[in-house]
Amino acid sequence: QQQVKQSPQSLIVQKGGIPIINCAYENTAFDYFPWYQQFPGKGPALLIAIRPDVSEKKEGRFTISFNKSAKQFSLHIMDSQPGDSATYFCAASSGFQKLVFGTGTRLLVSP
Amino acid sequence: DTAVSQTPKYLVTQMGNDKSIKCEQNLGHDTMYWYKQDSKKFLKIMFSYNNKELIINETVPNRFSPKSPDKAHLNLHINSLELGDSAVYFCASSQMGGENGYTFGSGTRLTVV
Repeated sequence: QQQVKQSPQSLIVQKGGIPIINCAYENTAFDYFPWYQQFPGKGPALLIAIRPDVSEKKEGRFTISFNKSAKQFSLHIMDSQPGDSATYFCAASSGFQKLVFGTGTRLLVSP
Repeated sequence: DTAVSQTPKYLVTQMGNDKSIKCEQNLGHDTMYWYKQDSKKFLKIMFSYNNKELIINETVPNRFSPKSPDKAHLNLHINSLELGDSAVYFCASSQMGGENGYTFGSGTRLTVV
């Protein structure tokens, strides 16, 4: 049972483009929604996170949009760079415990 | 360097063997986790310890046994290894109730042959 559904599975954009990765959840008890970035051979690293009391959060070129009624949230990467090429995971938890991860999106930003 | 460090980075072993993976964090976090990442990159939680107490134990074969000697260490012992155990195992830590997220180690790639 996949508690957090993530799409697309893979994504190719040109440098400067705005990749968008989407996630949907079912458990209304979830109250913490982070995004993680993983480079090959490394562990996932926290990128940005949002709580359900706000609809958008921006940190640098990364923005989370959150739609509580639709139980969906998405990651936008502005002015994407080749160095952003990585696998991105959305996740969710209730009370910061037991993070449940999405299935991951492999992003390739071409020069 | 403050970090979550796990050893070994690579582990190749034969079916039926017993092996251990060690994890240490010097971030002062009170909660540690083991996650398994399969060949399709899916991350699934296995165990979680808070201040040496087991708080999450997902549906994992009892051949897997975590041990937390103190809140800075969480080791994973695997008995009678099977081919299906091949994966990357990640240790992570966090501060219970904190919004700073999990800090992951670099992973241990286990290959069972």
